[in-house]
Amino acid sequence: DGGITQSPKYLFRKEGQNVTLSCEQNLNHDAMYWYRQDPGQGLRLIYYSQIVNDFQKGDIAEGYSVSREKKESFPLTVTSAQKNPTAFYLCAMGTTSGNTIYFGEGSWLTVV
Amino acid sequence: EDQVTQSPEALRLQEGESSSLNCSYTVSGLRGLFWYRQDPGKGPEFLFTLYSAGEEKEKERLKATLTKKESFLHITAPKPEDSATYLCAVGGNEKLTFGTGTRLTIIP
Repeated sequence: DGGITQSPKYLFRKEGQNVTLSCEQNLNHDAMYWYRQDPGQGLRLIYYSQIVNDFQKGDIAEGYSVSREKKESFPLTVTSAQKNPTAFYLCAMGTTSGNTIYFGEGSWLTVV
Repeated sequence: EDQVTQSPEALRLQEGESSSLNCSYTVSGLRGLFWYRQDPGKGPEFLFTLYSAGEEKEKERLKATLTKKESFLHITAPKPEDSATYLCAVGGNEKLTFGTGTRLTIIP
């Protein structure tokens, strides 16, 4: 079954701990993205990658880190430096920047 | 800076009552105008991409249109299952910029 898979769906962490969200796709898309969604706000871009071993900061990259060691994988680490990490995180894939992107089912992160 | 404004924020309709959602945008170098549907707790589901003014696309009870400054998502004779948040986004040179969405509720 082709598509994009995020895991875990729900994640709880204590304040001060780093946490990594997984995103895997099997459609051979070049571009992958991480967005954050908060109530009443639009999706905000955290990081994006157009090619393996390369990625760019989005609008709210502070407190986050990513890697793109394989084309199919784009994990996001929420570090302890992120001041307000509790949110709904969405991973997406697409062919090239600026064109249609397709989202995963999202991961809920709650920091207590 | 690319900007997207969606209105209204929320819309309640009776089943069968047609209406339109608005998406106004400013972008340098439009590469596409995108509509998504998002159900609570789920990732956005792709609906349409529009590329140039005058273009229209349809899917079941939904029709999207595009002008140089805005896009409309028309919903004809909606059913309760059309209840969702509808997101609009514009594709610029490198990335998509999203609006905050319109939360649509269809009352049986």
